[in-house]
Amino acid sequence: ILNVEQSPQSLHVQEGDSTNFTCSFPSSNFYALHWYRWETAKSPEALFVMTLNGDEKKKGRISATLNTKEGYSYLYIKGSQPEDSATYLCAFSGTSYGKLTFGQGTILTVHP
Amino acid sequence: EADIYQTPRYLVIGTGKKITLECSQTMGHDKMYWYQQDPGMELHLIHYSYGVNSTEKGDLSSESTVSRIRTEHFPLTLESARPSHTSQYLCASSEFGWHQPQHFGDGTRLSIL
Repeated sequence: ILNVEQSPQSLHVQEGDSTNFTCSFPSSNFYALHWYRWETAKSPEALFVMTLNGDEKKKGRISATLNTKEGYSYLYIKGSQPEDSATYLCAFSGTSYGKLTFGQGTILTVHP
Repeated sequence: EADIYQTPRYLVIGTGKKITLECSQTMGHDKMYWYQQDPGMELHLIHYSYGVNSTEKGDLSSESTVSRIRTEHFPLTLESARPSHTSQYLCASSEFGWHQPQHFGDGTRLSIL
């Protein structure tokens, strides 16, 4: 069974703070690394799919980086807002079939 | 916005009943997936399909079964529900290609008494 670890497990920040989380994954047989945002009472929503070492993706105030050689990805949120409160999931794909192995997620709470 | 629907949203039912959780998508995606998530734990893949008449077991062993008779429909069935099946079940779909994001339904919270 593949090991995908996310840290921290939970995070509380104040509105306006910038924050970042880590996802660690196996460095062999890498195909893709996904990030999803999962708000309470909603469905997980795809943020990024990253495929190349050194990839950097950005969507508004959220960005992500990828290091496949050492097996980690960082997700950054600049100027956190209360609506950013959610669970952030990363998922590793080690095959060409698109099967994903998920981490436990980082629960972010942004206080006004 | 993704168009993938799961019903029911919540189900509380007694032990021994046969249950079918429905999942439908209107995006024409070939690939569909079922995940199970226990409280505080990761999403675990229990079944997936690459297209009509294709079904495979996922990484987590499950007593449930699935079928894929139509592209848009991927139901999950438990023949005889037990308390150990209490969990959240999420359905997802994606376009073909290992770099495609998955689109998720809202999930079914299943409680077996």
